[in-house]
Amino acid sequence: EVQLVESGGGLVQAGGSLRLSCAASGFTFSSYAMNWVRQAPGKGLEWVSGISGSGLNINYGNSVTGRFTISRDNSKNTLYLQLNGLRAEDTAIYYCAKVSATVTKGYFDYWGQGILVTVSS
Amino acid sequence: QSALTQPRSVSGSPGQSVTISCTGTSSDLGTYNSVSWYQQHPGKAPKVMIYDVSQRPSGVPDRFSGSKSANTASLTISGLQAEDEADYYCCSYAGSYTVIFGGGTKLTVL
Repeated sequence: EVQLVESGGGLVQAGGSLRLSCAASGFTFSSYAMNWVRQAPGKGLEWVSGISGSGLNINYGNSVTGRFTISRDNSKNTLYLQLNGLRAEDTAIYYCAKVSATVTKGYFDYWGQGILVTVSS
Repeated sequence: QSALTQPRSVSGSPGQSVTISCTGTSSDLGTYNSVSWYQQHPGKAPKVMIYDVSQRPSGVPDRFSGSKSANTASLTISGLQAEDEADYYCCSYAGSYTVIFGGGTKLTVL
């Protein structure tokens, strides 16, 4: 059974930093791209970032480029998202999502339960 | 990276059919067939209902179907049931390993 469990969220002041983690199990982690998707309170889904199975292909949404860094440790089956320079508008539930392919060109077939990040201004 | 355009809300009575549209551009939905649809109930994580424009994952009822024409994709739900009431999001590959979502559509089953 595929499981994705996010951790590391919480309350942080504007300008601060957080590191989110997503522990994966139930599949060959290194064979699949992983992404982060967020949802601000009462709003829609927004793609944040994606990383290929190898870690070589990485990209970011316009609103987080230069502030957030995605990475993965295939030996620990864990995905990360480093959030720096946080703004009030980064307040959201952050979901870890598995892609159906090795690169971010498939669909999101499994999602974590989400972790809340709240940025106070 | 502007969001794909979806109607904010649609509604239908049990047993009826509804269609949700999703409009993009030639840079995303119009070029790629990596179009997927997600259902999200309140307080829950999204769930994939359609992928690659019209493919249904195992376990998704065949009442759900997808299609695409030019820059517009569509999700059709036939034989509406109460449990179909949820938010629905379209999603498209947009090149260079980036993805774009639609703004979401709230489906109300009357």
